[in-house]
Amino acid sequence: QKEVEQDPGPLSVPEGAIVSLNCTYSNSAFQYFMWYRQYSRKGPELLMYTYSSGNKEDGRFTAQVDKSSKYISLFIRDSQPSDSATYLCAMSGFTNTGNQFYFGTGTSLTVIP
Amino acid sequence: EAQVTQNPRYLITVTGKKLTVTCSQNMNHEYMSWYRQDPGLGLRQIYYSMNVEVTDKGDVPEGYKVSRKEKRNFPLILESPSPNQTSLYFCASTDPGSPLHFGNGTRLTVT
Repeated sequence: QKEVEQDPGPLSVPEGAIVSLNCTYSNSAFQYFMWYRQYSRKGPELLMYTYSSGNKEDGRFTAQVDKSSKYISLFIRDSQPSDSATYLCAMSGFTNTGNQFYFGTGTSLTVIP
Repeated sequence: EAQVTQNPRYLITVTGKKLTVTCSQNMNHEYMSWYRQDPGLGLRQIYYSMNVEVTDKGDVPEGYKVSRKEKRNFPLILESPSPNQTSLYFCASTDPGSPLHFGNGTRLTVT
């Protein structure tokens, strides 16, 4: 079983729609949860970074963490064509080799004008 | 501006010809790491370094070497590249308890 599971999509939505992206994980030791956005030919860019269960909001983006279900989500409100990108979830936690990061394979999102 | 800088951005080479991809960060981060990204496989860690002179293998280290002689630099070395190392490579850095910061990537093609 992979440490982190993410539906690869692709996901295609009309402009203005609410987008929901999700990841599940298996390791209860994960403490930090991240969402990255990656445009074509670019490096992953940090969107959201959370530590605890609950919601964190930043503009049109809301990150949700449910540690009891080992489930994280990213919601995008009023989606825009500029949101078209691949979204990666990531998690980290301290292991015997230090703080390591684990990534989902990414969900490709297209927002149609 | 805080950033991770990789060079070159694009590289085409032939099998067996040694190459080095440089990585430099200006955030004084202790931790640096190299990943390769392939379609359907996501990001896979090649090597990481917790601090100067400390490096460890990630999930896919075969065919790669790294060194960490200075805190800011973490070059990736392919002594004898092969076509299966054709990929998109990312360098990243961070401090404990913080998220990773990525460079813009190096697209390597080995023919």
